Amino acid sequence: QKEVEQNSGPLSVPEGAIASLNCTYSDRVSQSFFWYRQYSGKSPELIMSIYSNGDKEDGRFTAQLNKASQYVSLLIRDSQPSDSATYLCAPSQGGGNKLTFGTGTQLKVEL
Amino acid sequence: EAGVTQFPSHSVIEKGQTVTLRCDPISGHDNLYWYRRVMGKEIKFLLHFVKESKQDESGMPNNRFLAERTGGTYSTLKVQPAELEDSGVYFCASSQALGHYSTDTQYFGPGTRLTVL
Repeated sequence: QKEVEQNSGPLSVPEGAIASLNCTYSDRVSQSFFWYRQYSGKSPELIMSIYSNGDKEDGRFTAQLNKASQYVSLLIRDSQPSDSATYLCAPSQGGGNKLTFGTGTQLKVEL
Repeated sequence: EAGVTQFPSHSVIEKGQTVTLRCDPISGHDNLYWYRRVMGKEIKFLLHFVKESKQDESGMPNNRFLAERTGGTYSTLKVQPAELEDSGVYFCASSQALGHYSTDTQYFGPGTRLTVL
């Protein structure tokens, strides 16, 4: 079993729709969870971070965390073509905050 | 404010040669991390510096990899001798030490693409 599981996609949504990206993780002691966006050939860029169970909203993005289910998700409202990228789920581990990445979900927002 | 920078952006070497990658973190960031992505796989943690000290090197694949951070500023990652399976993209990230490690945001550099022939 992988430490972080994501559907690789591609996930295709029409412009203006809601994109839902999901992630499960195996390490129960993970405390912090990060969503990074990575455009092809570029470096990962932080989109959202969440530390407590429940929802956290920032603009068009909402992160959801359920530690009991070891599940974290990212919702993107009013999806734009510029949102087309690979989204990486990354729980942090240990006192040093090292990140464990999933393989990422490729999102395609179509006109 | 300048972001994390890495040099070189690309490196092509032959098996058995030595390569040194450099990372300059964001000024003032005590935490520096090295990660690697090999083709088709997820990004994997290699090691973590706090200032000049190695905090966690549990992800280093073997003793052909040597990381240093003299003076607690920039870091180098040397691969000697390089093998075919070392090919991939090496990312560096840095974060401030805010006293709560778990909430630190890691900012990533553009990566170095290493190809071993």
